[in-house]
Amino acid sequence: QVQVVQSGAEVKEPGASVKVSCKATGYTFTDHYIHWVRQAPGQGLEWMGWMNSKSGDTNYAQKFRGRVTMTRDTYISTAFMELRGLTSDDTSVYFCARDGGGWWSDYWGQGTLVTVSS
Amino acid sequence: EILLTQIPGTLSLSPGERATLSCRASQSIRRNYLAWYQQKPGQAPSLLIYGASTRATGIPDRFSGSGSGTDFTLTISRLEPEDFAVYYCQQYDSSPLTFGGGTRVEI
Repeated sequence: QVQVVQSGAEVKEPGASVKVSCKATGYTFTDHYIHWVRQAPGQGLEWMGWMNSKSGDTNYAQKFRGRVTMTRDTYISTAFMELRGLTSDDTSVYFCARDGGGWWSDYWGQGTLVTVSS
Repeated sequence: EILLTQIPGTLSLSPGERATLSCRASQSIRRNYLAWYQQKPGQAPSLLIYGASTRATGIPDRFSGSGSGTDFTLTISRLEPEDFAVYYCQQYDSSPLTFGGGTRVEI
């Protein structure tokens, strides 16, 4: 069965970077795009961008361009999201999700809490 | 950017009642590229509906989606105890993909 498993919680200081991993199993990794979505404490969902798992092409939300990089390692069926220049506003749970074939997200990782604090 | 407004913010109902959740877009969503997700506390969202009205795999038929253009609705015909959660709509017609602010369905 399809599973998406993310790396564990992180605590970072302001100005640092974080890299979250997202390992996919149960399907052919390169057949589906990966989306990244974040959720600040008690808030709604915010889409960050998608990555074509086959080609590595990306589309980032304007808000994150220049600060986010989405990559993948197809040999281990894992996607990565790196966010640089962290501030307290970046404290959120970060989710990766498999694209269902039409830009909706059908399988989600469990989320990774990133806390930015000095 | 397409803004999505979900009404109401909170819906207080009882098990067995019908829930009607609204999602209004700031501009027309072509091809009904709208999805609905359910999120329970401490969990990731889960897909309910895509294409405005197509139920995702394993979703019970008490969940239905409808609408077109700028007005979309998620209906839960008879609330079960496990349906009390937050529901989000999402448009994927244009980039950036955007979510509504959510509707909390509470007892």
